[in-house]
Amino acid sequence: DSGVTQTPKHLITATGQRVTLRCSPRSGDLSVYWYQQSLDQGLQFLIQYYNGEERAKGNILERFSAQQFPDLHSELNLSSLELGDSALYFCASSVEGQGEQFFGPGTRLTVL
Amino acid sequence: TQLLEQSPQFLSIQEGENLTVYCNSSSVFSSLQWYRQEPGEGPVLLVTVVTGGEVKKLKRLTFQFGDARKDSSLHITAAQPGDTGLYLCAGLGWGSNSGYALNFGKGTSLLVTP
Repeated sequence: DSGVTQTPKHLITATGQRVTLRCSPRSGDLSVYWYQQSLDQGLQFLIQYYNGEERAKGNILERFSAQQFPDLHSELNLSSLELGDSALYFCASSVEGQGEQFFGPGTRLTVL
Repeated sequence: TQLLEQSPQFLSIQEGENLTVYCNSSSVFSSLQWYRQEPGEGPVLLVTVVTGGEVKKLKRLTFQFGDARKDSSLHITAAQPGDTGLYLCAGLGWGSNSGYALNFGKGTSLLVTP
C-alpha cells in the first residue's frame, strides 16, 4: 500500500459524458501527478500540481482538466469522453515538487 | 513520440534463468528510475540511478545507468515466479518545461514460469 488512494477503482460511462477521478496523496506529500496508461501509449504524464498550483503539463488534452484543493487532494476531470479515452488513470504523489513518486492503485475508465 | 524505448517488449523465461532488459533514449536524463507494476496495481519504484556509469544492486537485481545518462539496463539473476510483472523505466527531465515529470518507456512484460 503506497498510501495514495484513488476513487473510483472502476468507471464505465458512455461517449460524450463527463467524469471526475479523485486522488488523495500520501500524508505530508505536497505534489500530485496524474498519468494515463493505455496499451498502445504506455504510461503518459498528464499534469502535476504542487501545493495547489499547477507545476508541469504533459500530454493532457484540452477536454481534460485537473485541480488540487487546499486539503491537497486532487481531481482529474475528463469531459466529452471518447472511446480512445478508455485507459488506466494513475495518481502519484511526492513530498516536494520532485523526488520519489508513490503511485495509487489507479482508476480504470471504460468509455462505451 | 516515446522518449524511452524498452526492449524486449515481452519476455517469458523459466525459473532460475538470468535475463537483461534494456532502456534506451536519445535524450539525456538527470536521473533514471525503474519501476515494477503488477496487474491491477500502480507502479512501485525499485531504484533510482543518478550518476553516469552507476551500478546499483538490489538482491538479485542489478541496475546500470549508461555513462552518457541516456540508457540503462536491468539484469535479474536466477529469476523467480515472483519477479513476474511489467518493468518500466522512467527518465526525469531537467528543466522547468517538463517540471519533474517522469517520461516512461512502454515497459517489458516479464513472465517467469516454475
